[in-house]
Amino acid sequence: AQKVTQAQTEISVVEKEDVTLDCVYETRDTTYYLFWYKQPPSGELVFLIRRNSFDEQNEISGRYSWNFQKSTSSFNFTITASQVVDSAVYFCALKGYNTDKLIFGTGTRLQVFP
Amino acid sequence: EAQVTQNPRYLITVTGKKLTVTCSQNMNHEYMSWYRQDPGLGLRQIYYSMNVEVTDKGDVPEGYKVSRKEKRNFPLILESPSPNQTSLYFCASSERGGEQFFGPGTRLTVL
Repeated sequence: AQKVTQAQTEISVVEKEDVTLDCVYETRDTTYYLFWYKQPPSGELVFLIRRNSFDEQNEISGRYSWNFQKSTSSFNFTITASQVVDSAVYFCALKGYNTDKLIFGTGTRLQVFP
Repeated sequence: EAQVTQNPRYLITVTGKKLTVTCSQNMNHEYMSWYRQDPGLGLRQIYYSMNVEVTDKGDVPEGYKVSRKEKRNFPLILESPSPNQTSLYFCASSERGGEQFFGPGTRLTVL
């Protein structure tokens, strides 16, 4: 069975703090894909990153970085120097090799206060 | 501009009154799907379609129908809506194995 767990329901930080959102997944597939999406208060889903299971290199995009560790089945997301505009719900998702279905975690609501 | 559109964006209706939420994509994607988002549950797949005239159930299909007569359109039909179908609905499309593009969402309230 495939499963994504985002244990942090809600996180509150003050602007400029660093924050890490945790994502742990379960799958029996040897090839799979992991995603992060952002859902701002306006409600749309914004794609942030896709990572395949053969690429364990960490990725950095501006203030965003992702740490993929197959050994612990985790794909954590860090925002450096958080800003109020980062306030949103963040979803981690998993897709197996032979399917186009996304399995979502329950999301983490991040609130960044000025 | 590549996009997935959904209509309506907001809908308030009453129990038992049939409704259809339309979804259209302009990227010639084969794969389309519907998800519902509920607090504390994340997004769950309702139905999906691998191509024209090919549809299948997702994790929560009860109370919903879909059709795929054309590649670009994938409407979601609620024949007899009930209050437990109050939710935020997303349509998505992708190439097989590719990134999924999501529509803007439809917020449905069933009274």
